[in-house]
Amino acid sequence: DTAVSQTPKYLVTQMGNDKSIKCEQNLGHDTMYWYKQDSKKFLKIMFSYNNKELIINETVPNRFSPKSPDKAHLNLHINSLELGDSAVYFCASSQLAGGSTGELFFGEGSRLTVL
Amino acid sequence: DQQVKQNSPSLSVQEGRISILNCDYTNSMFDYFLWYKKYPAEGPTFLISISSIKDKNEDGRFTVFLNKSAKHLSLHIVPSQPGDSAVYFCAARGTYKYIFGTGTRLKVLA
Repeated sequence: DTAVSQTPKYLVTQMGNDKSIKCEQNLGHDTMYWYKQDSKKFLKIMFSYNNKELIINETVPNRFSPKSPDKAHLNLHINSLELGDSAVYFCASSQLAGGSTGELFFGEGSRLTVL
Repeated sequence: DQQVKQNSPSLSVQEGRISILNCDYTNSMFDYFLWYKKYPAEGPTFLISISSIKDKNEDGRFTVFLNKSAKHLSLHIVPSQPGDSAVYFCAARGTYKYIFGTGTRLKVLA
């Protein structure tokens, strides 16, 4: 029973297209995130949501639009895809209040390739 | 501005010896520090964490040390095993975000 699941795992598309990545967590966490791992393998935060509300937008172009229909879901829609959007996108979740480890739980990643 | 830094991109260690991975940070407001292990084509996997009010946390072969005055943390793996070969990321928890270092590739030689 996967804690943080994201789909699709692989996505190949043409420049200019629009695509979406879905994410769901079954941990009951109140905060969800999108991270991008670029070609240099750096993990950079893009967005964080707390109880469905956008808290952080880390200077991400507005072609990227996250949506959180409820606490358990955080989807990422990308318009007008560019070559530089090619990366692995990770969804993650955490429980900011309480907990003993501060752990951030990751999904398996969605590899986006823009041709 | 890189708030969390891992200055060693790679490290090779003999099986059975100690692996020491280092991480430096700049922001005193972080409340948790974490270590993750990552294999190719997988999500990062949590290893161990430490609260900012502690200076050591141990879990089996893994120990994390936090030196707040130096803004430095380290992960010790003893004894190192070939299965430990992976990329290790340190991370720091701020307000509604976790900031990651650039990773250290550990290779444990049999």
